[in-house]
Amino acid sequence: EVQLVESGGGVVQPGGSLRLSCAASGFTFDDYAMHWVRQAPGKGLEWVSLISGDGGSTYYADSVKGRFTISRDNSKNSLYLQMNSLRTEDTALYYCAKDSLRYSSGWYPYWGQGTLVTVSS
Amino acid sequence: DIQMTQSPSSLSASVGDRVTITCQASQDISNYLNWYQQKPGKAPKLLIYDASNLETGVPSRFSGSGSGTDFTFTISSLQPEDIATYYCQQYDNLPPVFGPGTKVDIK
Repeated sequence: EVQLVESGGGVVQPGGSLRLSCAASGFTFDDYAMHWVRQAPGKGLEWVSLISGDGGSTYYADSVKGRFTISRDNSKNSLYLQMNSLRTEDTALYYCAKDSLRYSSGWYPYWGQGTLVTVSS
Repeated sequence: DIQMTQSPSSLSASVGDRVTITCQASQDISNYLNWYQQKPGKAPKLLIYDASNLETGVPSRFSGSGSGTDFTFTISSLQPEDIATYYCQQYDNLPPVFGPGTKVDIK
């Protein structure tokens, strides 16, 4: 059974940093690209970042480019999102999602339950 | 970036009704279009991929069609458990943009 479990969310002041983690199980982790998708309170889904299965390619939404860094440790079946220079508009529930493809973005058959990030002074 | 629009933004229908949601892309995305269902307090769930392919385990009352810029998502007979927000998502180009969502309620 595929499982994705996010952690690392919390309350942080504007300008602060946070590192999210996503522990994956039930599939061959390095065979698939992985994503972070966020959802601000009461709002829709916003794609944040993608990393290829081998970790060699990464992509970011313009809204987080230069501030967030996606990475993965295939030996630990784990996905990460380092978030720096956080802004109030980064407040959201952050989901990790497994792609259907290895090197690009297809469809996301599996999602975690999300971890909440609140940026507030 | 490709822009995605959905209509309507919300709808109310009776149990058993046929429900249709449309999604439009700002440019040709071939059939690279997915549909997700999100129930309150839950993670999104993949229903349809490649515009018309039903994900394994998803009830057959859900269907999708279209190609190019115009797509349709249909629930053939609305059930109480279908109360949710539905999102389209293109993946022809990065970034993989989601539509704004359509909230479906029971009348």
